[in-house]
Amino acid sequence: DSGVTQTPKHLITATGQRVTLRCSPRSGDLSVYWYQQSLDQGLQFLIQYYNGEERAKGNILERFSAQQFPDLHSELNLSSLELGDSALYFCASSADYYNEQFFGPGTRLTVL
Amino acid sequence: EDQVTQSPEALRLQEGESSSLNCSYTVSGLRGLFWYRQDPGKGPEFLFTLYSAGEEKEKERLKATLTKKESFLHITAPKPEDSATYLCAVTGAGSYQLTFGKGTKLSVIP
Repeated sequence: DSGVTQTPKHLITATGQRVTLRCSPRSGDLSVYWYQQSLDQGLQFLIQYYNGEERAKGNILERFSAQQFPDLHSELNLSSLELGDSALYFCASSADYYNEQFFGPGTRLTVL
Repeated sequence: EDQVTQSPEALRLQEGESSSLNCSYTVSGLRGLFWYRQDPGKGPEFLFTLYSAGEEKEKERLKATLTKKESFLHITAPKPEDSATYLCAVTGAGSYQLTFGKGTKLSVIP
């Protein structure tokens, strides 16, 4: 158990819908990262927050957004969902940006 | 742009048959190289961080080494429970993210 929690574990929804994925980092970690993992692309970095502020953006679509709250939990919002958005979404946390990242169990999103 | 290439893509070993996985990387100012283990449908599990060429780290049957261009994950006398996908990732100077390779899927046959 990494200490990072993610909810829900599974999410099934339809195209065009909007969903919210939630992540709670390890106790004491200030950085939260979101990754997308699909079969053909591997793990792709989406976005990072550090102590409530956006720190870095990767291959994140404009339809996706995230935020980190004062209690340090984070939410990833996915809107106007498409079939291609079906993937595993992982949250990771670290003490700071140069430390090893610890991953949560992931949310499996299926868009029908 | 940081790049990570892992080889082989898949590896089948008999129980007890030692081998090595390779991770070649291109990064501007290596800040750290990370090895993770991932079981199907689960989140990556952190194994090692290496910071500079010549560094080595060990954990049970696994040993990670680092040169200026690549890292190796040596698996000694593997057991079936070592079967998983092993991921390599790097972070460079001025970067806040991990760049992952596509992984090596290891199968250890009893």
